[in-house]
Amino acid sequence: GAVVSQHPSRVICKSGTSVKIECRSLDFQATTMFWYRQFPKQSLMLMATSNEGSKATYEQGVEKDKFLINHASLTLSTLTVTSAHPEDSSFYICSARPTGGHTEAFFGQGTRLTVV
Amino acid sequence: GQNIDQPTEMTATEGAIVQINCTYQTSGFNGLFWYQQHAGEAPTFLSYNVLDGLEEKGRFSSFLSRSKGYSYLLLKELQMKDSASYLCAGMDSNYQLIWGAGTKLIIKP
Repeated sequence: GAVVSQHPSRVICKSGTSVKIECRSLDFQATTMFWYRQFPKQSLMLMATSNEGSKATYEQGVEKDKFLINHASLTLSTLTVTSAHPEDSSFYICSARPTGGHTEAFFGQGTRLTVV
Repeated sequence: GQNIDQPTEMTATEGAIVQINCTYQTSGFNGLFWYQQHAGEAPTFLSYNVLDGLEEKGRFSSFLSRSKGYSYLLLKELQMKDSASYLCAGMDSNYQLIWGAGTKLIIKP
């Protein structure tokens, strides 16, 4: 199947700093990528839908100024957690669907963010 | 509103069969997905159903009834490595995935 690479897999940062997470589709183009957050023992929560060349669409309750999303190319989307706080500690997962079809979504490996 | 319901947790014995049910309500329907997620890892794709009936793929099968808004994932010959959460997701008319909370499957020897 198609591969989505997410980096870094783990990151520890201090409160108040910013962290950037990259999501790359390695062998397909993805007009749309999705960013999820998952707290322990809970389901995936969609944070935002990232569209190449345009602004991301954020879900209700997600602060767009805190979670900056950039989808500059058909193979790369980034999520930047700005001014991180301990409550932002979570598992962040991106997914991408190949352009042109409503096929399965391919997931990145996830990023475990710990804010201390 | 849109909603996906599945049991929170199930327990089964190694070598046995288990069926995980999922009911869905979506605005429009473009298919039903099942994903497997081990603790601390990203979900991996298991199956996709858009037509009624049973899709078999090795030890795993998935069933869909669109008229009933119902799906199930059937796991046969259970192995210890099948212990994981199983996520049901419906795709709505905008091709957005609506996720269930996941069913944690515990396999006992």
